Amino acid sequence: AQSVTQPDIHITVSEGASLELRCNYSYGATPYLFWYVQSPGQGLQLLLKYFSGDTLVQGIKGFEAEFKRSQSSFNLRKPSVHWSDAAEYFCAVGANTGGFKTIFGAGTRLFVKA
Amino acid sequence: EAGVVQSPRYKIIEKKQPVAFWCNPISGHNTLYWYLQNLGQGPELLIRYENEEAVDDSQLPKDRFSAERLKGVDSTLKIQPAELGDSAVYLCASSSGTGGANVLTFGAGSRLTVL
Repeated sequence: AQSVTQPDIHITVSEGASLELRCNYSYGATPYLFWYVQSPGQGLQLLLKYFSGDTLVQGIKGFEAEFKRSQSSFNLRKPSVHWSDAAEYFCAVGANTGGFKTIFGAGTRLFVKA
Repeated sequence: EAGVVQSPRYKIIEKKQPVAFWCNPISGHNTLYWYLQNLGQGPELLIRYENEEAVDDSQLPKDRFSAERLKGVDSTLKIQPAELGDSAVYLCASSSGTGGANVLTFGAGSRLTVL
């Protein structure tokens, strides 16, 4: 069955430090991969997506993610975190298995300290 | 352009009472989704519509939950009667097509508290 695992429930980083959020997926075919961000009281907003081609994808707000097929991973990175990046981050996989489904991980909450 | 609009944003009810949530998707988006988000969890699909047709309602608890999308635009999700375990955020999303590569646009959600 398809699944998405985000091993870290929460992460705390200092403002200006680099960030990496981990995501592992389980899917038999080439996946469509997404990262969404959810600020408090808001809906989810797309940060970036990977469909094919270059395995390093750029997104909004200075985020990037790298698809590694051998590791079934799609980790999200940012070189320098800003206080406004504090939010919940969801990795998701889009799968066509008897019907389209977008499956979300449980999320990683990011705290940014001054 | 307005995004996905949901109402109410917050609802507090007593158990066994009915509740309804409304969603207006982005204009032109044929596909509409209702997701359930429990505290500390990612969204889980309840039902997906393509135009007026519910094409995936396998995760919708049909004994108490119902949904409709009349005229293929707005949608309503209803719970009757509500139980304590239904306390959660109900997210509506829409997209312009179908398939695994689809990007979903979410509303801000409707937070339900059942007392």
